[in-house]
Amino acid sequence: GAVVSQHPSWVICKSGTSVKIECRSLDFQATTMFWYRQFPKQSLMLMATSNEGSKATYEQGVEKDKFLINHASLTLSTLTVTSAHPEDSSFYICSARGRAEGLLSYEQYFGPGTRLTVT
Amino acid sequence: SQQGEEDPQALSIQEGENATMNCSYKTSINNLQWYRQNSGRGLVHLILIRSNEREKHSGRLRVTLDTSKKSSSLLITASRAADTASYFCAVTNFNKFYFGSGTKLNVKP
Repeated sequence: GAVVSQHPSWVICKSGTSVKIECRSLDFQATTMFWYRQFPKQSLMLMATSNEGSKATYEQGVEKDKFLINHASLTLSTLTVTSAHPEDSSFYICSARGRAEGLLSYEQYFGPGTRLTVT
Repeated sequence: SQQGEEDPQALSIQEGENATMNCSYKTSINNLQWYRQNSGRGLVHLILIRSNEREKHSGRLRVTLDTSKKSSSLLITASRAADTASYFCAVTNFNKFYFGSGTKLNVKP
């Protein structure tokens, strides 16, 4: 149990376009989802936290108008990178925390990540 | 910075040897967790230690936590080539995770 998927696993887009990344909890209800960004050979940087049905809380320095997060249901959160630029190229990882039988309430379950390349 | 610090940044050992990685953090924490990441992949949860615990074991993993020094260590005993990966600590503070900079472990067969 506690599987989180991301789609797409990799995407290449042109500069100036927008890209949407989906994060789904497959077998549990994700009350909270987190979005992280990881540069090559670096650690994960928390971008934002989203609770189902409410606006996302962004970390300092993360542009909320550039990285739009929607947590519309208990199993889906989306991250849209608007007007993407080459410096937005990165590995984006989501995680989810939620409720289900046998699920550890304190643990985050991570998706496999999405590699975005902006040309 | 929202990150903790880990050392060493990179560690190369022979199969069968023990690997020790350290993590220091800055804030108060609810718990500390260790994760593993294979290159270009997602994270796998390894072990959690609560702020009121000092040591925890899981298989070949041993984690210690010293809240007075704001530090933790992860020991992998009898390492295997398959343990080659990056290892991150993550501290939980007010329902958010903050990751350390990671240690890249290479276990040579």
